[in-house]
Amino acid sequence: DARVTQTPRHKVTEMGQEVTMRCQPILGHNTVFWYRQTMMQGLELLAYFRNRAPLDDSGMPKDRFSAEMPDATLATLKIQPSEPRDSAVYFCASGNKGGSVAGGSYEQYFGPGTRLTVT
Amino acid sequence: QKEVEQDPGPLSVPEGAIVSLNCTYSNSAFQYFMWYRQYSRKGPELLMYTYSSGNKEDGRFTAQVDKSSKYISLFIRDSQPSDSATYLCAMIPNTGNQFYFGTGTSLTVIP
Repeated sequence: DARVTQTPRHKVTEMGQEVTMRCQPILGHNTVFWYRQTMMQGLELLAYFRNRAPLDDSGMPKDRFSAEMPDATLATLKIQPSEPRDSAVYFCASGNKGGSVAGGSYEQYFGPGTRLTVT
Repeated sequence: QKEVEQDPGPLSVPEGAIVSLNCTYSNSAFQYFMWYRQYSRKGPELLMYTYSSGNKEDGRFTAQVDKSSKYISLFIRDSQPSDSATYLCAMIPNTGNQFYFGTGTSLTVIP
């Protein structure tokens, strides 16, 4: 049963500390998304990779957030330094997307999320 | 103004009721419309997917898209307690590069 895995599931840290969240997409998927979910804002797209290349990270605060895909089996999201307003659930999702609008699947498979609390 | 608007609820219905969930949007370029279900402390999972206008039915679920009104709906017939979850709508423009999500509607089906 293929699924997206995320670690850690929960993270409590103090303001100013570095936070690294990891995601293992489903094997064979070529797109990876990072989302942040809060009660107030809902689900916000932070970054989007296709074939490991970043396509869109406009939703990410560039001064403190960074997203990478060191290889096809690992995506990372780092926050440095973390702030209390970063407290949220961070989801990774993977899928298959073709090069054209009509190509590929639009289905995203979400991981269980990392619940981050910054005090 | 957000690109996708969704009433957060909460919505509470008795078991067996018909549930109607809705989203409105402002970007006429949206072509692909999806509904996700999210159980508490889990990631969203895709329920239904439709392209452009029209209806799509899958068991007790019907998705409806009205592009002229920029309005989409999800109907749940014979609702069950297991349908209790948050339902998120999502849309993709014809450029197909990004998903836009609603904030979600919380639904509780009371036995």
